[in-house]
Amino acid sequence: KAGVTQTPRYLIKTRGQQVTLSCSPISGHRSVSWYQQTPGQGLQFLFEYFSETQRNKGNFPGRFSGRQFSNSRSEMNVSTLELGDSALYLCASSLGNTRSNEKLFFGSGTQLSVL
Amino acid sequence: QQQVKQSPQSLIVQKGGISIINCAYENTAFDYFPWYQQFPGKGPALLIAIRPDVSEKKEGRFTISFNKSAKQFSLHIMDSQPGDSATYFCAASMLSGGFKTIFGAGTRLFVKA
Repeated sequence: KAGVTQTPRYLIKTRGQQVTLSCSPISGHRSVSWYQQTPGQGLQFLFEYFSETQRNKGNFPGRFSGRQFSNSRSEMNVSTLELGDSALYLCASSLGNTRSNEKLFFGSGTQLSVL
Repeated sequence: QQQVKQSPQSLIVQKGGISIINCAYENTAFDYFPWYQQFPGKGPALLIAIRPDVSEKKEGRFTISFNKSAKQFSLHIMDSQPGDSATYFCAASMLSGGFKTIFGAGTRLFVKA
Protein backbone atom coordinates (compact mmCIF):
# COMPACT_ATOMS: atom_id res chain seq x y z
CA LYS A 1 0.00 0.00 0.00
CA ALA A 2 1.54 3.29 -1.07
CA GLY A 3 2.08 5.91 1.63
CA VAL A 4 1.22 9.58 1.61
CA THR A 5 2.90 11.34 -1.28
CA GLN A 6 3.75 15.02 -1.19
CA THR A 7 5.08 17.00 -4.12
CA PRO A 8 7.32 18.77 -4.64
CA ARG A 9 9.86 17.75 -2.01
CA TYR A 10 11.67 21.10 -2.09
CA LEU A 11 10.56 24.50 -3.25
CA ILE A 12 12.26 27.88 -3.37
CA LYS A 13 10.17 30.99 -3.90
CA THR A 14 10.58 34.73 -3.44
CA ARG A 15 8.49 37.07 -1.34
CA GLY A 16 5.19 38.00 -2.89
CA GLN A 17 4.91 34.89 -5.02
CA GLN A 18 2.33 32.19 -4.50
CA VAL A 19 2.83 28.46 -4.18
CA THR A 20 0.74 25.31 -4.48
CA LEU A 21 1.63 22.12 -2.67
CA SER A 22 0.13 18.74 -3.45
CA CYS A 23 -0.75 15.75 -1.30
CA SER A 24 -1.94 12.31 -2.37
CA PRO A 25 -3.34 10.37 0.61
CA ILE A 26 -3.26 6.66 1.19
CA SER A 27 -5.83 4.85 -0.89
CA GLY A 28 -9.14 4.69 0.97
CA HIS A 29 -8.32 7.59 3.28
CA ARG A 30 -10.82 10.41 3.01
CA SER A 31 -9.38 12.88 5.50
CA VAL A 32 -6.40 15.07 4.74
CA SER A 33 -4.82 17.45 7.26
CA TRP A 34 -2.11 20.01 6.66
CA TYR A 35 0.51 21.15 9.15
CA GLN A 36 3.29 23.72 9.17
CA GLN A 37 6.45 22.61 10.96
CA THR A 38 9.10 25.07 12.05
CA PRO A 39 11.97 24.58 14.53
CA GLY A 40 10.78 25.22 18.05
CA GLN A 41 7.14 25.63 17.05
CA GLY A 42 6.32 22.03 16.44
CA LEU A 43 3.48 21.22 14.09
CA GLN A 44 0.93 23.95 13.64
CA PHE A 45 -2.47 22.82 12.37
CA LEU A 46 -3.56 24.52 9.16
CA PHE A 47 -6.77 22.75 8.13
CA GLU A 48 -8.46 19.41 7.64
CA TYR A 49 -10.55 18.23 4.72
CA PHE A 50 -12.96 15.34 4.48
CA SER A 51 -14.92 14.45 1.36
CA GLU A 52 -14.01 17.75 -0.29
CA THR A 53 -15.23 19.80 2.69
CA GLN A 54 -13.09 21.75 5.10
CA ARG A 55 -14.12 20.57 8.57
CA ASN A 56 -11.56 22.38 10.68
CA LYS A 57 -9.23 25.30 10.37
CA GLY A 58 -6.29 26.52 12.43
CA ASN A 59 -5.24 30.07 13.22
CA PHE A 60 -3.52 31.00 9.99
CA PRO A 61 -4.21 34.06 7.83
CA GLY A 62 -6.40 33.85 4.77
CA ARG A 63 -3.30 33.66 2.56
CA PHE A 64 -3.29 29.98 3.42
CA SER A 65 -5.99 28.02 1.65
CA GLY A 66 -6.64 24.48 0.60
CA ARG A 67 -8.96 22.22 -1.23
CA GLN A 68 -9.68 18.55 -1.66
CA PHE A 69 -10.71 16.78 -4.82
CA SER A 70 -13.17 13.95 -5.30
CA ASN A 71 -10.32 11.41 -5.30
CA SER A 72 -9.24 12.73 -1.86
CA ARG A 73 -6.10 14.34 -3.21
CA SER A 74 -5.51 17.73 -1.64
CA GLU A 75 -3.72 20.90 -2.50
CA MET A 76 -2.59 23.74 -0.30
CA ASN A 77 -2.00 27.24 -1.60
CA VAL A 78 -0.12 30.10 -0.02
CA SER A 79 -0.46 33.48 -1.67
CA THR A 80 1.72 36.56 -1.25
CA LEU A 81 4.53 34.61 0.36
CA GLU A 82 6.38 36.09 3.33
CA LEU A 83 9.79 35.17 4.71
CA GLY A 84 8.10 33.68 7.77
CA ASP A 85 6.30 31.15 5.60
CA SER A 86 9.55 29.23 5.20
CA ALA A 87 8.83 25.88 6.79
CA LEU A 88 8.26 22.20 6.25
CA TYR A 89 4.66 21.64 5.22
CA LEU A 90 3.34 18.23 6.17
CA CYS A 91 0.27 16.49 4.91
CA ALA A 92 -1.37 13.69 6.86
CA SER A 93 -4.12 11.35 5.79
CA SER A 94 -6.49 9.23 7.84
CA LEU A 95 -9.70 7.28 7.48
CA GLY A 96 -11.59 10.24 8.93
CA ASN A 97 -14.30 8.47 10.89
CA THR A 98 -14.81 8.37 14.65
CA ARG A 99 -14.87 4.58 14.85
CA SER A 100 -11.22 4.38 13.96
CA ASN A 101 -8.42 5.40 16.24
CA GLU A 102 -7.48 8.47 14.29
CA LYS A 103 -4.03 7.45 13.26
CA LEU A 104 -2.48 10.09 11.07
CA PHE A 105 -0.16 8.93 8.31
CA PHE A 106 2.26 11.67 7.36
CA GLY A 107 4.07 12.32 4.14
CA SER A 108 7.72 13.39 4.13
CA GLY A 109 6.68 17.00 3.59
CA THR A 110 7.48 19.85 1.25
CA GLN A 111 10.33 22.07 2.40
CA LEU A 112 9.47 25.61 1.35
CA SER A 113 12.09 28.33 1.41
CA VAL A 114 11.03 31.91 0.83
CA LEU A 115 13.84 34.29 -0.15
CA GLN B 1 -6.77 28.47 23.05
CA GLN B 2 -6.39 24.81 22.27
CA GLN B 3 -2.75 24.34 23.19
CA VAL B 4 -0.68 21.33 24.12
CA LYS B 5 2.38 22.21 26.17
CA GLN B 6 5.33 19.83 25.98
CA SER B 7 8.53 19.61 28.01
CA PRO B 8 11.45 19.35 27.96
CA GLN B 9 12.49 20.85 24.65
CA SER B 10 15.50 18.55 24.51
CA LEU B 11 16.66 15.53 26.45
CA ILE B 12 19.91 13.59 26.68
CA VAL B 13 19.77 10.12 28.21
CA GLN B 14 22.32 7.38 28.65
CA LYS B 15 21.75 4.11 26.87
CA GLY B 16 19.64 1.88 29.08
CA GLY B 17 18.16 4.82 30.96
CA ILE B 18 14.58 6.06 31.15
CA SER B 19 13.43 8.95 28.96
CA ILE B 20 10.44 10.93 30.24
CA ILE B 21 8.56 13.54 28.25
CA ASN B 22 5.64 15.47 29.71
CA CYS B 23 2.63 17.16 28.15
CA ALA B 24 -0.33 19.17 29.38
CA TYR B 25 -3.52 20.16 27.60
CA GLU B 26 -6.27 22.66 28.28
CA ASN B 27 -9.37 21.67 26.38
CA THR B 28 -11.33 18.82 27.98
CA ALA B 29 -12.99 18.13 24.61
CA PHE B 30 -9.87 16.27 23.51
CA ASP B 31 -10.59 12.55 23.54
CA TYR B 32 -7.52 10.90 22.09
CA PHE B 33 -3.86 11.43 23.01
CA PRO B 34 -1.24 10.08 20.59
CA TRP B 35 2.52 10.33 20.60
CA TYR B 36 4.43 10.65 17.35
CA GLN B 37 8.09 9.96 16.60
CA GLN B 38 9.93 11.81 13.87
CA PHE B 39 13.32 11.04 12.37
CA PRO B 40 15.22 13.63 10.30
CA GLY B 41 13.88 13.94 6.76
CA LYS B 42 10.74 11.97 7.56
CA GLY B 43 7.23 12.82 8.57
CA PRO B 44 6.06 11.94 12.10
CA ALA B 45 4.85 8.38 12.70
CA LEU B 46 2.41 7.23 15.36
CA LEU B 47 4.21 5.58 18.26
CA ILE B 48 1.53 4.93 20.88
CA ALA B 49 -1.80 6.46 21.88
CA ILE B 50 -4.24 6.50 24.79
CA ARG B 51 -7.85 7.41 25.43
CA PRO B 52 -8.82 9.42 28.56
CA ASP B 53 -10.70 6.53 30.18
CA VAL B 54 -7.40 4.69 30.71
CA SER B 55 -4.64 5.80 33.10
CA GLU B 56 -1.78 3.88 31.54
CA LYS B 57 -0.92 2.10 28.31
CA LYS B 58 2.20 0.10 27.62
CA GLU B 59 3.58 -1.12 24.33
CA GLY B 60 6.99 -2.73 24.57
CA ARG B 61 9.43 -0.20 26.01
CA PHE B 62 6.98 2.69 25.59
CA THR B 63 4.42 3.65 28.25
CA ILE B 64 1.91 6.49 28.37
CA SER B 65 0.75 7.67 31.79
CA PHE B 66 -2.44 9.73 31.75
CA ASN B 67 -3.84 11.96 34.52
CA LYS B 68 -7.26 13.17 33.46
CA SER B 69 -7.92 15.40 36.49
CA ALA B 70 -4.59 17.20 36.03
CA LYS B 71 -4.95 17.24 32.23
CA GLN B 72 -1.45 15.87 31.90
CA PHE B 73 0.11 12.89 30.19
CA SER B 74 3.61 11.63 29.74
CA LEU B 75 5.69 9.24 27.66
CA HIS B 76 8.18 6.94 29.33
CA ILE B 77 10.79 5.16 27.22
CA MET B 78 12.35 2.34 29.20
CA ASP B 79 15.82 0.98 28.40
CA SER B 80 16.42 3.86 25.98
CA GLN B 81 18.50 2.95 22.91
CA PRO B 82 20.52 5.08 20.48
CA GLY B 83 17.96 4.16 17.82
CA ASP B 84 15.34 5.99 19.89
CA SER B 85 17.13 9.28 19.17
CA ALA B 86 14.45 11.32 17.40
CA THR B 87 11.99 14.12 17.97
CA TYR B 88 8.88 13.15 19.91
CA PHE B 89 5.59 14.99 19.70
CA CYS B 90 2.66 14.61 22.02
CA ALA B 91 -0.73 15.47 20.60
CA ALA B 92 -4.35 15.80 21.52
CA SER B 93 -7.18 14.99 19.17
CA MET B 94 -10.89 15.59 18.88
CA LEU B 95 -12.37 12.61 17.12
CA SER B 96 -15.85 13.98 16.59
CA GLY B 97 -17.37 17.15 15.25
CA GLY B 98 -14.58 17.61 12.77
CA PHE B 99 -11.24 16.01 13.32
CA LYS B 100 -8.48 18.12 14.74
CA THR B 101 -5.13 17.04 16.16
CA ILE B 102 -3.05 19.61 18.02
CA PHE B 103 0.63 18.89 18.55
CA GLY B 104 3.07 19.92 21.24
CA ALA B 105 6.27 21.73 20.28
CA GLY B 106 8.32 18.53 20.32
CA THR B 107 11.18 17.06 22.34
CA ARG B 108 14.49 16.23 20.75
CA LEU B 109 15.79 13.08 22.40
CA PHE B 110 19.40 12.00 22.14
CA VAL B 111 20.41 8.66 23.62
CA LYS B 112 24.14 8.39 24.27
CA ALA B 113 25.73 5.03 23.55
